[in-house]
Amino acid sequence: DIQMTQSPSTLSASVGDRVTITCRASQSISGWLAWYQQKPGKAPKLLISAASTLESGVPSRFSGSGSGSATEFTLTISSLQPDDVASYYCQHYSSYPPTFGGGTKVEI
Amino acid sequence: EVQLLESGGGLVQPGGSLRLSCEASGFTFSNYAMNWVRQAPGKGLEWVSVTYIGGRTTHYADSVKGRFTISRDNSKSTLYLQMDSLRADDTAVYYCAKEKGGYTLDDLDCWGQGTLVTVSS
Repeated sequence: DIQMTQSPSTLSASVGDRVTITCRASQSISGWLAWYQQKPGKAPKLLISAASTLESGVPSRFSGSGSGSATEFTLTISSLQPDDVASYYCQHYSSYPPTFGGGTKVEI
Repeated sequence: EVQLLESGGGLVQPGGSLRLSCEASGFTFSNYAMNWVRQAPGKGLEWVSVTYIGGRTTHYADSVKGRFTISRDNSKSTLYLQMDSLRADDTAVYYCAKEKGGYTLDDLDCWGQGTLVTVSS
């Protein structure tokens, strides 16, 4: 199974800060990586697919990078907003099982 | 509007069984693969199972293989998860989630609100 390692597990930043979350795969996933946002008590929401494609309606302050043979991927929030307080998860979907990273809790 | 509504969760004793349902609306259910993902209290997300468009192709996490069975009724736009031989570590919120595609592994672009399963004596 492919292991997905996220860091940091918790992140505290100020409004307006640039925030970066890293997700490392234990082997190549050919860019098949998604990022999800989960607000407290709510279901996850897809933010980014195929490592860097922003889903419709997702604010442009969110971006993803990493592709091809890369095993390291990042989710960046260019200017942190109060509404971004949530946990963020990466998930590969290159093979079964499509494992999730352990999550990153973002606080202000 | 795409909607997924789970039901069937509750309290069950270890070794017991439970069947979850997920009723879909707002899209052509038969054209998409459907998944179950769970989240233990205070923990991260764990992928559980997937069924593809015809229902014949399914995959399971090792942690539930042989105990859980995923199925779908395309005529009712409903996804199911039959859970047998339940253990305490199966306690979680169970989400159904729609894949973007129907034929190969893809990301999950719509999620239900979840249903809580508690396994305890």
